[in-house]
Amino acid sequence: NAGVTQTPKFQVLKTGQSMTLQCAQDMNHNSMYWYRQDPGMGLRLIYYSASEGTTDKGEVPNGYNVSRLNKREFSLRLESAAPSQTSVYFCASSKRQRVISGANVLTFGAGSRLTVL
Amino acid sequence: AQKITQTQPGMFVQEKEAVTLDCTYDTSDPSYGLFWYKQPSSGEMIFLIYQGSYDQQNATEGRYSLNFQKARKSANLVISASQLGDSAMYFCAMREGRSGNTPLVFGKGTRLSVIA
Repeated sequence: NAGVTQTPKFQVLKTGQSMTLQCAQDMNHNSMYWYRQDPGMGLRLIYYSASEGTTDKGEVPNGYNVSRLNKREFSLRLESAAPSQTSVYFCASSKRQRVISGANVLTFGAGSRLTVL
Repeated sequence: AQKITQTQPGMFVQEKEAVTLDCTYDTSDPSYGLFWYKQPSSGEMIFLIYQGSYDQQNATEGRYSLNFQKARKSANLVISASQLGDSAMYFCAMREGRSGNTPLVFGKGTRLSVIA
């Protein structure tokens, strides 16, 4: 199984350009997430989709939009890229592991390194 | 206020020694889960261990164990018999609530370096 696949792995943009990060999972997971990782900041949630047809803002949603295209795919769009959006972006998905305590383990993609000049 | 605090930006440990990575959390929800992830230099995020708030015993997974002290709101990761391959960033994370669909909140991480 491929797990969680993110494309592209690397991208360089100029300020003001737009782009979409694609994410697909083949594990029949219900929930999908987009995080960004910056040095010294850990992972911060941008948007998530608890189930197909729903999306919610996370801690740092400004400048981003998302689309849950179907159960497998969850894309992240930067409409007008800014240097502050230079980061490593991780897509993740989860399924329920244990019924009682809700231990949904997140499975992560390999990450997408975005540089905005 | 930070929900997950990892106070050790970096740590060193001798090969074959045990090491404890600290994690404290803040929540008023009685139902929550605590997770540890490893991120090697290659960049992928690897799930290590999980502890639920109602779990009676500390979680263990091979050389990893979680020292869960509920009253102190701490969930420290213990790695026994450190190996060179354990050198990585380690993130503590928490999910609040019972639904299982809420996202994880991550700490800022601890960089562990294992010395031969």
